Formats: sequence, structure tokens, C-alpha cells
Amino acid sequence: DAGVTQSPTHLIKTRGQQVTLRCSPKSGHDTVSWYQQALGQGPQFIFQYYEEEERQRGNFPDRFSGHQFPNYSSELNVNALLLGDSALYLCASSAPGTGAQETQYFGPGTRLLVL
Amino acid sequence: AQKITQTQPGMFVQEKEAVTLDCTYDTSDQSYGLFWYKQPSSGEMIFLIYQGSYDEQNATEGRYSLNFQKARKSANLVISASQLGDSAMYFCAMREFYGQNFVFGPGTRLSVLP
Repeated sequence: DAGVTQSPTHLIKTRGQQVTLRCSPKSGHDTVSWYQQALGQGPQFIFQYYEEEERQRGNFPDRFSGHQFPNYSSELNVNALLLGDSALYLCASSAPGTGAQETQYFGPGTRLLVL
Repeated sequence: AQKITQTQPGMFVQEKEAVTLDCTYDTSDQSYGLFWYKQPSSGEMIFLIYQGSYDEQNATEGRYSLNFQKARKSANLVISASQLGDSAMYFCAMREFYGQNFVFGPGTRLSVLP
């Protein structure tokens, strides 16, 4: 049973460029969430996708956008990259659950460095 | 307002000893879930244990147990018989009933000494 997978594992970009990160959820999961984790901090919620729609969004600018495909995989796009976008980007998937006890399972992350 | 507080930036424990990692939270919801994750240097967040706000008993998963004190709004993680492989960052997280996302604390770095 494959867990959550993410690609690429590492990425180096320059300011102003655009980047796309990819995530495949754990088998049986239909919900994908994205988090940004800056060095030395806890993950910060970017947004969540369910049934191919953005269900909730954290405090991130419109430069951050996403998509979910019919097979539940997801992409995170970041436009006009800033140095401050350098971080570990984590994808998490979850199955339909009952409110607060819905556990999220994380992928290994994509380390993005913006020069 | 910060919803999850982890007051210990770093902790040391001797191998085979038990250690408690502190977590306090803030919510006005009656229904919520509390989670602990382990993050080794590789970066992946590994789910350890879950406690529901209505659970009457403290959660346990192998060497991990959660000391849940609802009135104090604390959910401390207890690791028994520490192993060298337990050295990692540990994050406490909360999910409110109507929220779709987890809110994470700043984490505690645990170092297990041989």
C-alpha cells in the first residue's frame, strides 16, 4: 500500500520564476492538503482540495494556487517566486472521516530553494 | 492567536528512559482532535498518536502515550523506553471539528543520548 508520494524531492529556482509541485495521495484517500514549512518552524496550512475543488485556504497570497485531478492527485503552483518561498512543501492526504478525527498522512515533501 | 504551544524548543533524554513532551492548545470548540507527529531529518511527518476531545481514556500506541488533561487544555506526549531512533522533531497539532486543516505547534527537538 503506497503512501503519499511527492515530486520532485528537491528544486532550485530563481526569483520571479514559477514552480509546480506534485502529490499523489495514499490509496483510498480523496482529500489533499498542502503545507509550507519554513526552516525551524511548524507547517503552515496553504489549502485543501476535495472533489477537485479548493475547500479551505490558509493565509497565503494568490500566487499560490492548486489543482486536484479526478484520480485525487494534486498540484501546487507558485508564481512569481520570492526568496521567502524557500521552504519544505508538504502534501498530506486523508480519507473521508468524521470531523476532528480525520487523520492526515504526509508525504516526504519537496524542498524548494529560491535564489 | 497561537492555538498550539510547545514550550520546549529542545529536550535531551538518556536512552531507555521515558520523556514527556509538552503541548497546550487553545480552542472554543467542544469537538476537536489532537495529534502528534514525528519529523526526522529526512523531512517526512510521521503520524504517531491521536486523541479525541470526547475520548475518556488517554490514547496509547506502543511506546507512545498521550497525557490528555482537558480542563488544562494540555496534551503531552510520553515516550517510554527512548531509543536512539527517536531523535527527531516532534509536532503537536490540532484539528477543530469545523476546520479542514491542522494547526501545528512550533515543535520540540528531541535528542536521545546513548
